[in-house]
Amino acid sequence: KQEVTQIPAALSVPEGENLVLNCSFTDSAIYNLQWFRQDPGKGLTSLLLIQSSQREQTSGRLNASLDKSSGRSTLYIAASQPGDSATYLCMSYNTDKLIFGTGTRLQVFP
Amino acid sequence: NAGVMQNPRHLVRRRGQEARLRCSPMKGHSHVYWYRQLPEEGLKFMVYLQKENIIDESGMPKERFSAEFPKEGPSILRIQQVVRGDSAAYFCASSPGQTQNYGYTFGSGTRLTVV
Repeated sequence: KQEVTQIPAALSVPEGENLVLNCSFTDSAIYNLQWFRQDPGKGLTSLLLIQSSQREQTSGRLNASLDKSSGRSTLYIAASQPGDSATYLCMSYNTDKLIFGTGTRLQVFP
Repeated sequence: NAGVMQNPRHLVRRRGQEARLRCSPMKGHSHVYWYRQLPEEGLKFMVYLQKENIIDESGMPKERFSAEFPKEGPSILRIQQVVRGDSAAYFCASSPGQTQNYGYTFGSGTRLTVV
């Protein structure tokens, strides 16, 4: 059974810092991994999708890497801004199941 | 493309009533997933449907909950005789089916409050 955990659970940083959010999964037989952000009381916004054959994806200040052999994905946020404050979720897809991580609650203060 | 549409956005029901949550997938998407997010908890899988078929309902409570995705129209998550513990945000996601190549798009959710 796939288990997905994220560390840290919460993070509070001043703006401008470069951040690393970690996602670990127990079953490496994933098809893809997707990162989302969720704002309080809102839905999920897709950030990056990494297919199993890929090692990383980039979008603007975001970069996500995937290492299937070690069961890890990392989301890098460069030059963080207060608008980045949200909960970040990773989600793995394997064998018709989408499994969400436990989330990292990020707060970036001015 | 309007994305995944869920309605209503907010739903208030008294204990014992029925709740019907609707999810219209993105155009061209034939796969729908439903998730529940309890207050201060993560997103938990409930059910995976394709048109007219339930593929995986291992996350659905055994009683009072049902889901369908008819040939025409939105997917419906139905909760009968709601209880306070059903209060949560319910999200659906859709995909075109080639899930290893495409990501998932989520709706904005329906927030159910049982009073």
